Amino acid sequence: DQQVKQNSPSLSVQEGRISILNCDYTNSMFDYFLWYKKYPAEGPTFLISISSIKDKNEDGRFTVFLNKSAKHLSLHIVPSQPGDSAVYFCAASGGYNFNKFYFGSGTKLNVKP
Amino acid sequence: GAVVSQHPSWVICKSGTSVKIECRSLDFQATTMFWYRQFPKQSLMLMATSNEGSKATYEQGVEKDKFLINHASLTLSTLTVTSAHPEDSSFYICSAREAGRNTGELFFGEGSRLTVL
Repeated sequence: DQQVKQNSPSLSVQEGRISILNCDYTNSMFDYFLWYKKYPAEGPTFLISISSIKDKNEDGRFTVFLNKSAKHLSLHIVPSQPGDSAVYFCAASGGYNFNKFYFGSGTKLNVKP
Repeated sequence: GAVVSQHPSWVICKSGTSVKIECRSLDFQATTMFWYRQFPKQSLMLMATSNEGSKATYEQGVEKDKFLINHASLTLSTLTVTSAHPEDSSFYICSAREAGRNTGELFFGEGSRLTVL
């Protein structure tokens, strides 16, 4: 049973517009969330995080929003750039298993020039 | 940022042989490392948590005798796929958390693609 889900396998956005990537989780014990970016043939690289005490965290063009009641988080990229084209994974941890992260299946973002 | 290196990046082996994959933290000490497996178009599936100086903790459904994990030092964890079979072919990725760092951020290796003939 997958505890972290990314229901959109792919997303295509025009350069300069906003990219919104979504992630849902089922475990109410999760209290720390991460977004990772992965290029082909490379390992994931950390992008941005948020803890459950916040509902928003911003870092440059990247903003993560957390809706605890809906068990939903989203990553906004504004403005989107062609170099943002990659697979984005969300990950969650918390509760007794605070040391373990559970990953979604990823969303492939394609930013068109 | 912190660097985690995996070796080899890809390996092809015959069925029945064993393959060792190394995960090294190059510029930091990692008391905990994680091993994941990724099937095509699927998420990273956590296989086990590797703790320096103690036995690894395996996720449910992962055979510990099949996937041997050794975390002998603060900078090295190894995953050995024993008696490999074609169904073990996959992309294996490790991650590490820097000792004493509270951000929860994980640093990932580049991944190792295993193909068992």
